Amino acid sequence: DTAVSQTPKYLVTQMGNDKSIKCEQNLGHDTMYWYKQDSKKFLKIMFSYNNKELIINETVPNRFSPKSPDKAHLNLHINSLELGDSAVYFCASSLGANVLTFGAGSRLTVL
Amino acid sequence: EDKVVQSPLSLVVHEGDTVTLNCSYEVTNFRSLLWYKQEKKAPTFLFMLTSSGIEKKSGRLSSILDKKELFSILNITATQTGDSAIYLCAVDSNYQLIWGAGTKLIIKP
Repeated sequence: DTAVSQTPKYLVTQMGNDKSIKCEQNLGHDTMYWYKQDSKKFLKIMFSYNNKELIINETVPNRFSPKSPDKAHLNLHINSLELGDSAVYFCASSLGANVLTFGAGSRLTVL
Repeated sequence: EDKVVQSPLSLVVHEGDTVTLNCSYEVTNFRSLLWYKQEKKAPTFLFMLTSSGIEKKSGRLSSILDKKELFSILNITATQTGDSAIYLCAVDSNYQLIWGAGTKLIIKP
């Protein structure tokens, strides 16, 4: 019974492609997030989504777009992938804006 | 600008040693401070601190917050190789989590 599950765990693709990472949580949380963790292990918030309110980190390129079909899902779609997009992407959820529960991460490699 | 600074960035000790990890912060509207442990995969929650001077404890790990001096410490006593991980500190400011860069802890047998 994984609390926050994201797929795929690994994704290898070519520059210029479009890809999606899916995330689902079964905790009944009301807020979901996408984080990017680069090679230096620094966690950077990309998006948070609460009751249909999307808060975007302004440094995130508009090639990245979150899509939330319902409260339990927040998918990440990336257009025109670039080499610098290679990272581990973490989905997380919380009740309110406090303790986050993270998914296992999706390692994206852009060749 | 809100910021969270962790020190040291990395630390190598021997099994059985005691370590202290530091997290200092400057934020506009402090609500809480959280510690996470990240091994190979997802960060896992350790502690949430909201009040000064009250120690949170879980086994060999403990943490305390000083809201006057704006820092928190995470102590690990009698370290084991399984404690090797990145320890992340985050501060909830205005309902946004501000993350530190983490401390990479390596425990040598």
